[in-house]
Amino acid sequence: EAQVTQNPRYLITVTGKKLTVTCSQNMNHEYMSWYRQDPGLGLRQIYYSMNVEVTDKGDVPEGYKVSRKEKRNFPLILESPSPNQTSLYFCASSLLPGLTDNEQFFGPGTRLTVL
Amino acid sequence: DQQVKQNSPSLSVQEGRISILNCDYTNSMFDYFLWYKKYPAEGPTFLISISSIKDKNEDGRFTVFLNKSAKHLSLHIVPSQPGDSAVYFCAASDGNKLVFGAGTILRVKS
Repeated sequence: EAQVTQNPRYLITVTGKKLTVTCSQNMNHEYMSWYRQDPGLGLRQIYYSMNVEVTDKGDVPEGYKVSRKEKRNFPLILESPSPNQTSLYFCASSLLPGLTDNEQFFGPGTRLTVL
Repeated sequence: DQQVKQNSPSLSVQEGRISILNCDYTNSMFDYFLWYKKYPAEGPTFLISISSIKDKNEDGRFTVFLNKSAKHLSLHIVPSQPGDSAVYFCAASDGNKLVFGAGTILRVKS
């Protein structure tokens, strides 16, 4: 089954404690991306990756890091989480943007609370 | 500065009637537009898309219209069903990334 998986689904942590949210896709997609969803703001892109070892900042990259060492995995790293990073996070993958009928497949989401 | 705007936070429609969700964009570099549907506790799922070279795309009960001169697109759902109740996100692509609107909550009343 084609899917994007994220772990954990729920996480409560404290300010400053490093954490990683994993994301994996089994569709051999080149493009992967992280979004955060906040009320009234929709989905905002944090980072994206066009392929292995190729990453770039989205609209709200501050406080986040990513890596793309393998095509299927795209972890999101919060080195020193702060309360303003409390949000619902989605990982997504797709063929490279710009192709026709290019839909992004989303993971189920990770709800993060930083106290 | 929001490049993709969905000005209606919510919409309520009677079952069987038409639902019209609207979206405006400001960036003329966007050349591909998509609609996603999201249920609670799930990730968004792709619904329908349209390329900038078209002005209409239809898929069953769902039709997306694009007015490039007005930088406006709309999603029509006919007839609306209770299962269509969800958050609908409009998204636009410039070839590098997707930019999403804030979403519109659609409630279809039976």
